[in-house]
Amino acid sequence: GIQVEQSPPDLILQEGANSTLRCNFSDSVNNLQWFHQNPWGQLINLFYIPSGTKQNGRLSATTVATERYSLLYISSSQTTDSGVYFCAGRIQGAQKLVFGQGTRLTINP
Amino acid sequence: GAVVSQHPSWVICKSGTSVKIECRSLDFQATTMFWYRQFPKQSLMLMATSNEGSKATYEQGVEKDKFLINHASLTLSTLTVTSAHPEDSSFYICSATGLAGSRMETQYFGPGTRLLVL
Repeated sequence: GIQVEQSPPDLILQEGANSTLRCNFSDSVNNLQWFHQNPWGQLINLFYIPSGTKQNGRLSATTVATERYSLLYISSSQTTDSGVYFCAGRIQGAQKLVFGQGTRLTINP
Repeated sequence: GAVVSQHPSWVICKSGTSVKIECRSLDFQATTMFWYRQFPKQSLMLMATSNEGSKATYEQGVEKDKFLINHASLTLSTLTVTSAHPEDSSFYICSATGLAGSRMETQYFGPGTRLLVL
């Protein structure tokens, strides 16, 4: 079955809005991480968050490992926040990451 | 810290030629490197995992004789697409993890290489 599932697939917002992106992951996945892929294709590490809550500026993330989900919050969105947000987790017992299908975020001025 | 570079950033080649892509960790020792492939508007698909000094482990469905991976040092891995065909056109991304004082928690990604095979 699907190991990492993200929602929504697409999100269009006006500058200044807040957003919440969700990632559900299966029992075989842990060590949840969030990445931002900018329009040029570069993946940027946002959070390594196997559990708990972390904040970095306007971004924060929460993972509830017992319920197998993680949330990424973006506050006061800027046009530079546009791109695709991926969550990924490690397969238990392996080094590799499995990625969700991503949420494509478009912030309009 | 944790910077990964890729070269070239984009390449156009004729069908049948081979293309080599380099992935370097600039400020840490990459004990493990990963190669991904991404088609437009899709997620990253892992192609192979390589540990320094060992043969790469390929994912199911990835032809190891077509996508040659070499991880000869702790800072360099190469992916060679042999006898490239138009269906090999894609965005290839490497990532690395390893030691930067202590073991890294996550992978760090290169900027990617866009390959177009005519």
